[in-house]
Amino acid sequence: QLQLQESGPGLVKPSETLSLTCTVSGGSISSSSYYWGWIRQPPGKGLEWIGSIYYSGSTYYNPSLKSRVTISVDTSKNQFSLKLSSVTAADTAVYYCARLEMATRSVDYWGQGTLVTVSS
Amino acid sequence: DVVMTQSPLSLPVTLGQPASISCRSSQSLVYSDGNTYLNWFQQRPGQSPRRLIYKVSNRDSGVPDRFSGSGSGTDFTLKISRVEAEDVGVYYCMQGTHWPPISSCFGQGTKLEIK
Repeated sequence: QLQLQESGPGLVKPSETLSLTCTVSGGSISSSSYYWGWIRQPPGKGLEWIGSIYYSGSTYYNPSLKSRVTISVDTSKNQFSLKLSSVTAADTAVYYCARLEMATRSVDYWGQGTLVTVSS
Repeated sequence: DVVMTQSPLSLPVTLGQPASISCRSSQSLVYSDGNTYLNWFQQRPGQSPRRLIYKVSNRDSGVPDRFSGSGSGTDFTLKISRVEAEDVGVYYCMQGTHWPPISSCFGQGTKLEIK
């Protein structure tokens, strides 16, 4: 059974960089059938797409966040990561990592999510 | 950008009664391969979203058959034939036709509650 687990600091100071890692178990991140993505959800609000990456390293970012986002992949560790720079309180959210299935063009697996609070 | 619009945003339902959620896209979701990539997700309180339906009407493994998806082009519907207590949560539609997603691929969400 595929599992995705987010890890990283739960508290980040304003203007600093948010860094999260997603560890994939029960499947290979190098599969050509999937992309890997990050989605966030501010408290009490809906889902916002951040971006995604293919195992080859190709990345696709939400234009509204593109100037601040970097997603990378480490196939040797079966992990992919998110960096969001110059954070503000508006970046406070639950951050989910997810697997994107190409055959259905959909998210078929989600991590449990991790709450990141931006506060001094 | 494709914009996904759900209605209603709040849906109070009596146990055992049917429920219906609408999702409209600003552009057709029919892809050049002939498929329509419209998905539905359920997010129970305190949980991650989970996929219920993919490609308009295909239920995921383990999803009760009281959930069904339908629609075409730009108009889609998720129906629950008889609402149960475990169905409480927020439901999202998501388009996958414009792939990979780069921005607003999710609807705003519809909160289903028991009346």
